[in-house]
Amino acid sequence: GESVGLHLPTLSVQEGDNSIINCAYSNSASDYFIWYKQESGKGPQFIIDIRSNMDKRQGQRVTVLLNKTVKHLSLQIAATQPGDSAVYFCAETKIQGAQKLVFGQGTRLTINP
Amino acid sequence: DGGITQSPKYLFRKEGQNVTLSCEQNLNHDAMYWYRQDPGQGLRLIYYSQIVNDFQKGDIAEGYSVSREKKESFPLTVTSAQKNPTAFYLCASSAAGGRWLRFYYGYTFGSGTRLTVV
Repeated sequence: GESVGLHLPTLSVQEGDNSIINCAYSNSASDYFIWYKQESGKGPQFIIDIRSNMDKRQGQRVTVLLNKTVKHLSLQIAATQPGDSAVYFCAETKIQGAQKLVFGQGTRLTINP
Repeated sequence: DGGITQSPKYLFRKEGQNVTLSCEQNLNHDAMYWYRQDPGQGLRLIYYSQIVNDFQKGDIAEGYSVSREKKESFPLTVTSAQKNPTAFYLCASSAAGGRWLRFYYGYTFGSGTRLTVV
């Protein structure tokens, strides 16, 4: 649903620490999930995706974990850097049938020096 | 390079004026989308189009209009009926679902247009 009137949750971590951003998705039928990163004044950019037949996928410094039992998605960022400061969105969809992406509320990550 | 281009980057609208935001993609994507983003908030869907000459309302379509005369283009008009148009507008495109040979089913986003009422 819409997030009108709601402000983004925030997470602050020290530079060099690992961060974990969580997302609860809404549709148990969703079978494809994506994490996006949005820097201030820019459009969201793809970080990593995962299909429902997997429970973990790793990229460069990022790992996505999927728990279908509780409809939970998380993004782990290792050894955070100042450039990781941004808003992170999760998104879900069902691949078949040209379904729209449904975006989560987003989390603002701040990296402290 | 393939991509999605939004213009202008900044736009100022006077009270009672209609303005049109441009969105062009050369990715050969079938589907295109318009989102609105207010400060400190998430993305809200305004309109989307999955094929040329067809489009559907999203969650907040009131005060907006779109057209999809060409596959590459999906302009958004913010009409005078939109009472609070100041926001960041994002356009996105995607290959329609069912393309089993493609792995990535997500969106490619433009860089956004910031609209301000003056």
